[in-house]
Amino acid sequence: QSELTQPPSASTTPGQSVTISCFGGSSNVATNAVNWYRHLPGTAPELLIYRDGQRASGVPDRFSGSRSGTSASLAIRGLQSGDEGDYFCATWDDILNGPVFGGGTKLTVL
Amino acid sequence: QVQLQESGPELLKASETLSLTCSVSGDSIGLYYWGWIRQPAGKRLEWIGHIYMNGRTNYNPSLNSRVTMSVDTSKNDFSLRLTSVTAADTAVYFCARARWFGESLSFVNWGPGARVTVSS
Repeated sequence: QSELTQPPSASTTPGQSVTISCFGGSSNVATNAVNWYRHLPGTAPELLIYRDGQRASGVPDRFSGSRSGTSASLAIRGLQSGDEGDYFCATWDDILNGPVFGGGTKLTVL
Repeated sequence: QVQLQESGPELLKASETLSLTCSVSGDSIGLYYWGWIRQPAGKRLEWIGHIYMNGRTNYNPSLNSRVTMSVDTSKNDFSLRLTSVTAADTAVYFCARARWFGESLSFVNWGPGARVTVSS
């Protein structure tokens, strides 16, 4: 599939961990590295993870990423209320010949 | 720290041309790729295209016939032009600085977005 699929929402409590998944297909996640972003409405999206598991500058090691087959995951441990936001995955799609984005997962830290 | 800021008209009528500029501060526009991404309300982000400092472009095939991107190194900004807009082009438009990490293009820095509404 050319689209990336994410669960629409996730919620947990402070101090806990969460894993957000991203499912793709043979033309994207299976063959190209995945990036993860966080977006708070009205602000500039922020790159968290690039190349599957590399943390962007300034991103704490509570954030980690991985990819296997046609799926990728973003794990966040030690959740804080400030971690709330929309998290979305993205990668290159060989059919589109350009980047594709997941639908986003709204994370709530109760 | 590089900063990006989109600017342009917020309201357009159908069939008009959307023109947005992304002003870059804190770094030279050279040596990087620069992209445009949009997000209609309630929908996922959609890549519009990207451009390299030498003018080489790559556009989303679904928009290819209507899109033009350009870079102005003298002003340290880059622009998006989308012709014959319709209500389907109503979205928040983001500009971003991009880098290749291996085989994936990562949007490393983003602007806050510019909301564009197309009325029929």
